[in-house]
Amino acid sequence: AQKVTQAQTEISVVEKEDVTLDCVYETRDTTYYLFWYKQPPSGELVFLIRRNSFDEQNEISGRYSWNFQKSTSSFNFTITASQVVDSAVYFCALSEARTGNQFYFGTGTSLTVIP
Amino acid sequence: DAMVIQNPRYQVTQFGKPVTLSCSQTLNHNVMYWYQQKSSQAPKLLFHYYDKDFNNEADTPDNFQSRRPNTSFCFLDIRSPGLGDAAMYLCATSDGRTTYNEQFFGPGTRLTVL
Repeated sequence: AQKVTQAQTEISVVEKEDVTLDCVYETRDTTYYLFWYKQPPSGELVFLIRRNSFDEQNEISGRYSWNFQKSTSSFNFTITASQVVDSAVYFCALSEARTGNQFYFGTGTSLTVIP
Repeated sequence: DAMVIQNPRYQVTQFGKPVTLSCSQTLNHNVMYWYQQKSSQAPKLLFHYYDKDFNNEADTPDNFQSRRPNTSFCFLDIRSPGLGDAAMYLCATSDGRTTYNEQFFGPGTRLTVL
């Protein structure tokens, strides 16, 4: 069974629009960690954020914000006032305390920001 | 800056000709990973080292081997590359002594098999 689901395969927005990338996860662990990574065309996976299961506070970092809701097992990522440089593939990932080093990646969402 | 380095960035090999990809890190992390990523797919874990302990994923083909001679270096050996092995290979590290296992990725090596 897929532990991390990113239902949006591809999204296109016009520059300056806001966009939300969805992530739904599945775990039986009470202690787990959620991550978002950005993969630009160059290929390197760039870490964006980590959230642990005990911290449901939403976080804002510049134009990026994350909405973690345990009730719906979701960890959504919003980019405000999108820019062309935001064009990339974004991966959501889950790490469970039980399995330690195993990362479960979603299938990724390809975001294209049109100038 | 502390980082994960992969060499080469692009590798071309012939069908059946062994190839070695290298990864080094200056983060002093004790866990190192190798992922395979094919076009438009998520990274797929091949194996990882926790210190010197090698952990192979159940579905990783025998054609893929790894070596970790010291904390800083890790190698991926593909003994007889097939056309289906053409992919981006990503190396990552994490500090297994923390609880959250955030992984730091290198820039990847794109392998082409002719």
